[in-house]
Amino acid sequence: GDSVTQMEGPVTLSEEAFLTINCTYTATGYPSLFWYVQYPGEGLQLLLKATKADDKGSNKGFEATYRKETTSFHLEKGSVQVSDSAVYFCALSDTRGGADGLTFGKGTHLIIQP
Amino acid sequence: DGGITQSPKYLFRKEGQNVTLSCEQNLNHDAMYWYRQDPGQGLRLIYYSQIVNDFQKGDIAEGYSVSREKKESFPLTVTSAQKNPTAFYLCATSSGRLTDTQYFGPGTRLTVL
Repeated sequence: GDSVTQMEGPVTLSEEAFLTINCTYTATGYPSLFWYVQYPGEGLQLLLKATKADDKGSNKGFEATYRKETTSFHLEKGSVQVSDSAVYFCALSDTRGGADGLTFGKGTHLIIQP
Repeated sequence: DGGITQSPKYLFRKEGQNVTLSCEQNLNHDAMYWYRQDPGQGLRLIYYSQIVNDFQKGDIAEGYSVSREKKESFPLTVTSAQKNPTAFYLCATSSGRLTDTQYFGPGTRLTVL
């Protein structure tokens, strides 16, 4: 079945550091890939997405490129801020399964120190 | 004000009682989903519905039930058969197309005492 593996945290960085959160996936079809962010006690918000190979999703300084050859969708940001502290989830939607829900990684807790 | 409403935000129940969590949306989305979130486990799909009067089991449906009588509403009942119901429950909606984003509600934290 489908699965998503992402680096487990917590990841602690200083403000203005470069961020990478790794995400790799296994899927039987041609998935769409997503990054969601969750702030304490809240629901998930879409951060960015990519729907086909070599697409790059970007939003609020975050970027991720859909790499079919390495089955990866790593999240990057050039200079993080304290306000980026949150839990980040990588997820996929598999085209063979119908619109039957997302498969999530376990989440990466990011802590940015001033 | 468009969006997804989940109520209540916090819910406490005694062991052995059934409890129903509400999810309402005014985004005119066809598809609705229920996920369960446990610490360090990510989100797992409980049930989903792509159209009114139809729904399918997700990965962890045992001990849960749903209904979809209206497009706007997709309530989740946590029954006494669910062995470990304490968790954060999230409702989501989408247009139903595979590449489309799922939008999440604010969640309900259920604690069974």
